[in-house]
Amino acid sequence: AQTVTQSQPEMSVQEAETVTLSCTYDTSESDYYLFWYKQPPSRQMILVIRQEAYKQQNATENRFSVNFQKAAKSFSLKISDSQLGDAAMYFCAYRSADSNYQLIWGAGTKLIIKP
Amino acid sequence: NAGVTQTPKFQVLKTGQSMTLQCAQDMNHNSMYWYRQDPGMGLRLIYYSASEGTTDKGEVPNGYNVSRLNKREFSLRLESAAPSQTSVYFCASSVCTGEGYCGNQPQHFGDGTRLSIL
Repeated sequence: AQTVTQSQPEMSVQEAETVTLSCTYDTSESDYYLFWYKQPPSRQMILVIRQEAYKQQNATENRFSVNFQKAAKSFSLKISDSQLGDAAMYFCAYRSADSNYQLIWGAGTKLIIKP
Repeated sequence: NAGVTQTPKFQVLKTGQSMTLQCAQDMNHNSMYWYRQDPGMGLRLIYYSASEGTTDKGEVPNGYNVSRLNKREFSLRLESAAPSQTSVYFCASSVCTGEGYCGNQPQHFGDGTRLSIL
């Protein structure tokens, strides 16, 4: 069975600096999708960025980018120019291309932004 | 621009009581999901509905039932609530084909229901 591990329960960063959140996953499959979601104190889960395993190019969305290392089964999220509004729980999730419904979630990383 | 709407937002129950959590989406998505979120853990799938008229068990279905009322609505019922079901419950929806292919489409979430069972 697939698993997703986020080894950092909590991270902190100074406002305007860059922070990287780590995510590793375990799978024997070659075709899958990876997602980062943000959960602010309001509780709603918001998609930050997604990556297709068949794409070698790392996904980027404005200040958010990923470092996808397929062989290492690593999918880290880099947040540049951190802002106070980035403070939230961040969850990494995996979905097999064969099992299209179920997302496998990591336990989350709490990101604190210091002003 | 409502997206996924869950009701209620908060609820306190006594052990043994029953209740239904409601979820509705206005994005014309065919797939819908119920998750629970417990402290220190990622979301766990309770049930999902690939399309109108179908429902399937997820990772933690025991103690729950679901109904896909129509394409928009997907409800979660606790028949006899237990303290172990104290959690935050999330409903989500996504675009998938009738054959179950979701591709890179993300799931869209509601604001959650905080449920406490005494």
